[in-house]
Amino acid sequence: KNQVEQSPQSLIILEGKNCTLQCNYTVSPFSNLRWYKQDTGRGPVSLTIMTFSENTKSNGRYTATLDADTKQSSLHITASQLSDSASYICVVTGGGNKLTFGTGTQLKVEL
Amino acid sequence: NAGVTQTPKFQVLKTGQSMTLQCAQDMNHNSMYWYRQDPGMGLRLIYYSASEGTTDKGEVPNGYNVSRLNKREFSLRLESAAPSQTSVYFCASRPREASSYNSPLHFGNGTRLTVT
Repeated sequence: KNQVEQSPQSLIILEGKNCTLQCNYTVSPFSNLRWYKQDTGRGPVSLTIMTFSENTKSNGRYTATLDADTKQSSLHITASQLSDSASYICVVTGGGNKLTFGTGTQLKVEL
Repeated sequence: NAGVTQTPKFQVLKTGQSMTLQCAQDMNHNSMYWYRQDPGMGLRLIYYSASEGTTDKGEVPNGYNVSRLNKREFSLRLESAAPSQTSVYFCASRPREASSYNSPLHFGNGTRLTVT
């Protein structure tokens, strides 16, 4: 069964600190992996996409990595801001263009 | 740019009542989707429409019906609401279903539905 597991479930950090969110998947075959950010009361918004041949991709203070061999991805947030407080969702596209969603990591950035 | 617009934002129903959730997108996308989001679970696909005139069941279609009214609009209907349908419902769209695996989903801001 295709699964996407994210860790930690929730995380609290101080403003200005870095953090790393993890995503492990068992989806096969693999097409791509996308990270979404979901602010409270809003719909998810795409942050970045990782394809099979990509190891690292940055989008501002967000850096995503992908290890297709171990089926793991991470999202690193540098110099966190209060506006980074949100749920971060990992979504893997598999065969037949089918999406499998993770349950998300709830990040809270505090002063 | 409005993107994907969902109405209503909030709704409370009693068991057995019916309602229709509305969704419209202004990005000229061919494919539209309805998801539900429940605590501790990933987003689950209810129904989707790959293109105008077609609809298909997703992972959790029971208790729901959909209508692709035109290219812009995709509605979700609950004929007889049950407490198990208490959830947050998201509509999404993207340019096309086939060969679109690199296109992100564009989500609306959700309808928060409570069934008592």
